[in-house]
Amino acid sequence: DAGVTQSPTHLIKTRGQQVTLRCSPKSGHDTVSWYQQALGQGPQFIFQYYEEEERQRGNFPDRFSGHQFPNYSSELNVNALLLGDSALYLCASSAPRDSNTEAFFGQGTRLTVV
Amino acid sequence: DQQVKQNSPSLSVQEGRISILNCDYTNSMFDYFLWYKKYPAEGPTFLISISSIKDKNEDGRFTVFLNKSAKHLSLHIVPSQPGDSAVYFCAASYANAGNMLTFGGGTRLMVKP
Repeated sequence: DAGVTQSPTHLIKTRGQQVTLRCSPKSGHDTVSWYQQALGQGPQFIFQYYEEEERQRGNFPDRFSGHQFPNYSSELNVNALLLGDSALYLCASSAPRDSNTEAFFGQGTRLTVV
Repeated sequence: DQQVKQNSPSLSVQEGRISILNCDYTNSMFDYFLWYKKYPAEGPTFLISISSIKDKNEDGRFTVFLNKSAKHLSLHIVPSQPGDSAVYFCAASYANAGNMLTFGGGTRLMVKP
């Protein structure tokens, strides 16, 4: 079992550009959540995808959008990048959705905006 | 509005002694609490969890205590080992939140040989 995999591991973008991050959930998991972890802080919930739809959203602007594919993998898109978007972006998968259970995290994508 | 707080940014403990990491929360709807451990350049790794119907959960060297009236939980590591040195995050969720986790700011634990 490969667990949760994310790509790429590191990325450098210029302010104003757009970026796409990718995530494959752990086998058997159908729910994917994205988190942003700024330096020295805990992860912050961005949004969650289930059945190819955004089910919940945290306090992030519309520049942050996502997608879930039929195979449960997911993408996070960020438009009009700001310097403040520099962070570690974490993907987490879990199942079943209506029960409390631990989420499994990928290793993250380190995004640097210059 | 920080709903989950870890007030100690760092903790240093001697190998073999007990490590106690603390976490406070404000949202009464939280009914499930988790601890994650994070090493540099890795994603958070699940450590232990507790449901609000319990006040203690134990797994090997790790025990989590929940005090609902005080909205406080703690993670005890006994005995502490140098390999336990990492950043520990407390997280909380509630049943209808679809496993959406609210994290604390983390506590860096250093276990000295």
